[in-house]
Amino acid sequence: GDSVTQMEGPVTLSEEAFLTINCTYTATGYPSLFWYVQYPGEGLQLLLKATKADDKGSNKGFEATYRKETTSFHLEKGSVQVSDSAVYFCALRGAPGGGNKLTFGTGTQLKVEL
Amino acid sequence: EADIYQTPRYLVIGTGKKITLECSQTMGHDKMYWYQQDPGMELHLIHYSYGVNSTEKGDLSSESTVSRIRTEHFPLTLESARPSHTSQYLCASSDPLAGHLETQYFGPGTRLLVL
Repeated sequence: GDSVTQMEGPVTLSEEAFLTINCTYTATGYPSLFWYVQYPGEGLQLLLKATKADDKGSNKGFEATYRKETTSFHLEKGSVQVSDSAVYFCALRGAPGGGNKLTFGTGTQLKVEL
Repeated sequence: EADIYQTPRYLVIGTGKKITLECSQTMGHDKMYWYQQDPGMELHLIHYSYGVNSTEKGDLSSESTVSRIRTEHFPLTLESARPSHTSQYLCASSDPLAGHLETQYFGPGTRLLVL
């Protein structure tokens, strides 16, 4: 079945540091890939997505590229801020026929300090 | 911004009480979902619906039940709350007509504590 593996957290960075959160997946066919962010006490917000190989999703300075050859969708940001402290979830939606359900990774907590 | 709402945001209740968590969306989405999020952050799909009068159980077995009488409304009910039901419950919706661009949008969640 489909699965998503994220790097374990917490990840602690200083403000303005470079961020990478690794995400790899296993799926049949051509899944769509997503990054969601959850701020403390809130629900999940869609951060970015990519629907086919080599697509780059970007939003709020975050980027992720859909790499089919390495089955990866790593999240990057060049300069993090304290306000980026949150939990980040990588997810995939499998090929049609599987109910189009999302498969989530376990989440990676990011803490950004001054 | 997605227009999906959940009430209450926080609920503290005693064991044995019946509770209903509300979820509404104004986007006309046919598909709706309920997730349970444990303290370790992992999300588990417990119910979903493809449209009015359609409900399905998710990947994680749950003692809760759901109904879908109107497109915009997808309430979740626990007939007799227990401490093991303490969790955060997240509702989501999506538009299947978006095809490969289909995206789930989440509500703010209900944090439930059963004493």
